[in-house]
Amino acid sequence: GENVEQHPSTLSVQEGDSAVIKCTYSDSASNYFPWYKQELGKGPQLIIDIRSNVGEKKDQRIAVTLNKTAKHFSLHITETQPEDSAVYFCAASRGGFKTIFGAGTRLFVKA
Amino acid sequence: SAVISQKPSRDICQRGTSLTIQCQVDSQVTMMFWYRQQPGQSLTLIATANQGSEATYESGFVIDKFPISRPNLTFSTLTVSNMSPEDSSIYLCSVDLQGSTGELFFGEGSRLTVL
Repeated sequence: GENVEQHPSTLSVQEGDSAVIKCTYSDSASNYFPWYKQELGKGPQLIIDIRSNVGEKKDQRIAVTLNKTAKHFSLHITETQPEDSAVYFCAASRGGFKTIFGAGTRLFVKA
Repeated sequence: SAVISQKPSRDICQRGTSLTIQCQVDSQVTMMFWYRQQPGQSLTLIATANQGSEATYESGFVIDKFPISRPNLTFSTLTVSNMSPEDSSIYLCSVDLQGSTGELFFGEGSRLTVL
């Protein structure tokens, strides 16, 4: 069945450094790729997304890139801050049809 | 965005009992989803709940174990029946505000511990 693989499972960076999380999807019909941030005790929050007709999208310190040919997409966080510490999930879906989530990356930003 | 309220936020339950989780949205939405997040794990879709029709369950989830109601466009319930310790999880309500865009908004979750 459809699958989304996410790496790394844990990432520790120094404050101010960049963090990169990578995902691979299997369903070639996927056309929507959101990223969610989940803080402890809270529900996931959509932080950025990209659709299949775009290769890159940026919103302040976060950016997402998509390589449809390779079925890869990545989240880039620059100038990391302690409040960026959380679990990040990538996901893939065909529009609103069954969103498949990656396993999650626990990001630690050390002050 | 939307305000999605879930009740209870957490509960401790005894084996063999059932618990109903409520999800209230501050706007009318067509598609509502129930997810399970086991400790330290990712999100797994239990079912899609659309108003006026029976919920659609994913493989591995059945109506007898997870009955769902969707009486109107702002409210849904998920019941976890005959609970066992393996049902200890966070249960999350989610909505797609614009129909079927894939942009999901989540409630804060209901953390269940089954003893």
